[in-house]
Amino acid sequence: AQTVTQSQPEMSVQEAETVTLSCTYDTSESDYYLFWYKQPPSRQMILVIRQEAYKQQNATENRFSVNFQKAAKSFSLKISDSQLGDAAMYFCAKGGATNKLIFGTGTLLAVQP
Amino acid sequence: KAGVTQTPRYLIKTRGQQVTLSCSPISGHRSVSWYQQTPGQGLQFLFEYFSETQRNKGNFPGRFSGRQFSNSRSEMNVSTLELGDSALYLCASLAGGASTDTQYFGPGTRLTVL
Repeated sequence: AQTVTQSQPEMSVQEAETVTLSCTYDTSESDYYLFWYKQPPSRQMILVIRQEAYKQQNATENRFSVNFQKAAKSFSLKISDSQLGDAAMYFCAKGGATNKLIFGTGTLLAVQP
Repeated sequence: KAGVTQTPRYLIKTRGQQVTLSCSPISGHRSVSWYQQTPGQGLQFLFEYFSETQRNKGNFPGRFSGRQFSNSRSEMNVSTLELGDSALYLCASLAGGASTDTQYFGPGTRLTVL
């Protein structure tokens, strides 16, 4: 069975500092896609960043970047220069041959002013 | 472009009733996926529709069903509601329906079963 594991239920970071959220996954597929989604309290889930497994280069979107270690099946999210608006639940998700996304249990990120 | 819209946003039902939730994908998108989000089980895939056909189904009982219309709008129906069906139901829109597509989520419908 495919699984996505987020081992940090909660994290906290000071404003302007850097934080890394961890995610590991298990799959037998060779071609798949990994995502980080952000879900602010009572608000819509939005895509933060996406990584294709066949790409060796780590994806980057402004202050958000990933460390994709395919052999280790690890996909961590780094948030640089954290802002108050980054406070949210972050979900790691895996897509593959079908459009069924497998989600982790989420990491609740608090940003301290 | 308008985003994914879901109606209603909030719903309160009693056990045994049935409910229908609606999702309108991003204009031009042809595929819709549905997910259930609960504190205990997290985010779980319900089903996916593409071109009016159910293409994938998650591990949910037959009380959960859905359909997609020719304009790509989708509805999901839950019959004989149980307390455990209380959840946030999320709809996601995909452009061409390929597994390479990114899924864009709507705001969800919060269902409370009393």
